[in-house]
Amino acid sequence: DTGVSQNPRHKITKRGQNVTFRCDPISEHNRLYWYRQTLGQGPEFLTYFQNEAQLEKSRLLSDRFSAERPKGSFSTLEIQRTEQGDSAMYLCASRQPGTGGFGANVLTFGAGSRLTVL
Amino acid sequence: GDSVTQMEGPVTLSEEAFLTINCTYTATGYPSLFWYVQYPGEGLQLLLKATKADDKGSNKGFEATYRKETTSFHLEKGSVQVSDSAVYFCALSDGSSNTGKLIFGQGTTLQVKP
Repeated sequence: DTGVSQNPRHKITKRGQNVTFRCDPISEHNRLYWYRQTLGQGPEFLTYFQNEAQLEKSRLLSDRFSAERPKGSFSTLEIQRTEQGDSAMYLCASRQPGTGGFGANVLTFGAGSRLTVL
Repeated sequence: GDSVTQMEGPVTLSEEAFLTINCTYTATGYPSLFWYVQYPGEGLQLLLKATKADDKGSNKGFEATYRKETTSFHLEKGSVQVSDSAVYFCALSDGSSNTGKLIFGQGTTLQVKP
């Protein structure tokens, strides 16, 4: 169990450019979540997948944002035509099946991908 | 919609002091409640959880009791250490569906001085 891995950890881009973040969840976790966290705030839900199916998208996920999980394993979050307001930490989490115990039905988070749009 | 409100920080304590971080929630259904901790440069880590009213979650000396009557889930620790300095997030799960997504409070920064 290597945890949830996110890449890149930091991305600096110019306004108008496209960026893509990758998340590799814990292998046996079938649910994967994306959150956005701005400075001094708690994480805000963006979207989630069960296997390869995207089951819910937040209103925060404008049409410039797209997320995929093509084979039900890793996921990508792409932001097109970035704006300065997109600057944030993008967090990925995966969920352990409900098998009971301390870790059951909880989200395990990666360290995040920090985006800075100049 | 569902929401979580935490006391504003930063909270600054001396080592071995008693800690309370207040958390109240608004929810339909029967949510599970969580405390996550975020150390500098790291991802959020689950600290403790409670899944029904009157449950007490505990871990690493931290405790929180699910109080349905006051819609609260306050985090406590009897004696804090410098290593407890971090940002603490209260969260609830969506109790009316099975999405598993969490709704977070804004976070409370704890700074413990030697």
